[in-house]
Amino acid sequence: KNEVEQSPQNLTAQEGEFITINCSYSVGISALHWLQQHPGGGIVSLFMLSSGKKKHGRLIATINIQEKHSSLHITASHPRDSAVYICAVSNYGGSQGNLIFGKGTKLSVKP
Amino acid sequence: KAGVTQTPRYLIKTRGQQVTLSCSPISGHRSVSWYQQTPGQGLQFLFEYFSETQRNKGNFPGRFSGRQFSNSRSEMNVSTLELGDSALYLCASSASGGGEQFFGPGTRLTVL
Repeated sequence: KNEVEQSPQNLTAQEGEFITINCSYSVGISALHWLQQHPGGGIVSLFMLSSGKKKHGRLIATINIQEKHSSLHITASHPRDSAVYICAVSNYGGSQGNLIFGKGTKLSVKP
Repeated sequence: KAGVTQTPRYLIKTRGQQVTLSCSPISGHRSVSWYQQTPGQGLQFLFEYFSETQRNKGNFPGRFSGRQFSNSRSEMNVSTLELGDSALYLCASSASGGGEQFFGPGTRLTVL
C-alpha cells in the first residue's frame, strides 16, 4: 500500500464546477504539500500546511491531522486549472527535504 | 528573484554512458532535493543536500550520486546508464529543507 493515496486518479469537470481532490496518508508527517504539474513537467507548489486550512484565490486546502487526510478544493473551475495535482508529505522525523508523493490526480476542465 | 534552473533541459544518452545534471537553486536557498519522475513509478525522492552535505538518500542504486557546492549549486550523476533511467529529473530548493520547495523545470533524460 502506498504511503500517500490520492483520489480520484482522473477527474473531468465542466467549467464553473466545484472540484475536490482527496489525499490520505499513513505516515507521521511534519507537513503536507499540494503541487500542480502542467504538461511539459514544471511543478508549482500550491500549498504547504501542517494544520487547519489555507486559501489562495480559488484554491482551498484543508488538513485533518487526526484522520490523516487532506483535501484540495477548486471553486469556479476554469480550463486553465487543467493539470495534474499531486499530494506530497514530509515524513515526520525524516529529512524535511524528502517528500513522499501520491500518484497524482489528472484534472481536465472542459469549457 | 530568479527561480530554480536546471541544465540541460533535454538529454539523450546511450546505455552504459554516464550523465551529469545541474541544478542552481534560488539565491539564498541552502537545501536542494532531487527527484525522479517516471510514468510507472511517479515521483520518487533521490537525495537531499544541505550546506554541501547529503542529508538523506532515497532507495536508488549507487549509480546515482550527487554533490553540492559551496554556492549551493548541485549536480547529480548517473553512471552506467540503463534504459530504465529514462525519466524527468527534477530538483527543488528550499531555504532550509523544511519549508516550501520550489521546483526547477526538470531535465528530461532519454536513454537509448
